[in-house]
Amino acid sequence: DGGITQSPKYLFRKEGQNVTLSCEQNLNHDAMYWYRQDPGQGLRLIYYSQIVNDFQKGDIAEGYSVSREKKESFPLTVTSAQKNPTAFYLCASSIGNRDQPQHFGDGTRLSIL
Amino acid sequence: GQQLNQSPQSMFIQEGEDVSMNCTSSSIFNTWLWYKQDPGEGPVLLIALYKAGELTSNGRLTAQFGITRKDSFLNISASIPSDVGIYFCAGRASPNSGNTPLVFGKGTRLSVIA
Repeated sequence: DGGITQSPKYLFRKEGQNVTLSCEQNLNHDAMYWYRQDPGQGLRLIYYSQIVNDFQKGDIAEGYSVSREKKESFPLTVTSAQKNPTAFYLCASSIGNRDQPQHFGDGTRLSIL
Repeated sequence: GQQLNQSPQSMFIQEGEDVSMNCTSSSIFNTWLWYKQDPGEGPVLLIALYKAGELTSNGRLTAQFGITRKDSFLNISASIPSDVGIYFCAGRASPNSGNTPLVFGKGTRLSVIA
């Protein structure tokens, strides 16, 4: 089945550690996005990539890093510089044409030990 | 970043009732989307709107792209227990292109009492 796969579903991080969240899509979508969701809040954009080997900061990029070496993959690293990393992280992708909606993965819940 | 004003924040309704929620923006949008999120999962697209005045249905759901291009509403008719979840509006401000990230509202949390 075509879709967006996020892994792991649950992730625990110790203080001072970097962790990487995986996002893979087999939809042949050009653009990929990372959002953070906190309880009772909407989705806030962390980073996005419109094409391979290129990405832009979103509204809350500090403490995060990404790479886009392959079209189908857009991993997110939560660095130790992110002081409040506990959240639900959502990856999305969309086709390159204008006005196409984003489709989401099932998310990764990150917690601090 | 830009935000959408989505209301109400939460709703408690009886099964069988109709539901209405809306989203407004201070700027003109060229795309409006409505998503539903179940607990612990990613949002799922319900309806996409691309033209001012457009009215689109998906089963018991109906959404409209406001004529001013600054608002949209979502109606759910004859609610059932599985309608429970968080509904998000999202959109792109004109003249942004299709790969410009969506702006999201904060969501409407719907609870259905059987």
